[in-house]
Amino acid sequence: DADVTQTPRNRITKTGKRIMLECSQTKGHDRMYWYRQDPGLGLRLIYYSFDVKDINKGEISDGYSVSRQAQAKFSLSLESAIPNQTALYFCATSDIRRDRANTGELFFGEGSRLTVL
Amino acid sequence: QKEVEQNSGPLSVPEGAIASLNCTYSDRGSQSFFWYRQYSGKSPELIMFIYSNGDKEDGRFTAQLNKASQYVSLLIRDSQPSDSATYLCAVMGNQFYFGTGTSLTVIP
Repeated sequence: DADVTQTPRNRITKTGKRIMLECSQTKGHDRMYWYRQDPGLGLRLIYYSFDVKDINKGEISDGYSVSRQAQAKFSLSLESAIPNQTALYFCATSDIRRDRANTGELFFGEGSRLTVL
Repeated sequence: QKEVEQNSGPLSVPEGAIASLNCTYSDRGSQSFFWYRQYSGKSPELIMFIYSNGDKEDGRFTAQLNKASQYVSLLIRDSQPSDSATYLCAVMGNQFYFGTGTSLTVIP
């Protein structure tokens, strides 16, 4: 089983619909992240959370919201989806304290492909 | 100015050759530097990290860091068709910043 699990893996929806992407992890990491990936634009940070009570905006947070329900769960919501939110979304985790090599490495989920028509 | 810049490629090399991937970054306070490999439709996976100036070797991969020039590179020796992927440079300061990736194709 994957350490970082994203659901759904694929979703097609219509403009204006509310969408939630969920992420859960079994790594015991405190830090969780949501990225979106678009062709030619790389990975861009949407939101990140260093613990349950700490939520921070990334570089492209407009149109998105997040909820950190527990240490292991971090959800991304699109309140009213629009076509330019069509992208591949990745959840990631990291934890400096548990990282023996102290690299700050990010561990990624398998991705959620969202299409907004 | 983007935090992390990479040549998007595509870069093509014959099997057995050395592939050279380059990355520059803007934040002099950046502390750690990473190379991730991403196959099409898959999630990124870490292949190398480096935080000290100089070279770091791991098998066929060598990462090179020059903080004065704000430059980090990845060399892949004896390139194999299975190395064909997009390579993402990532830099960690107060946040992780990713480059747009370089697409590498190794031709058999």
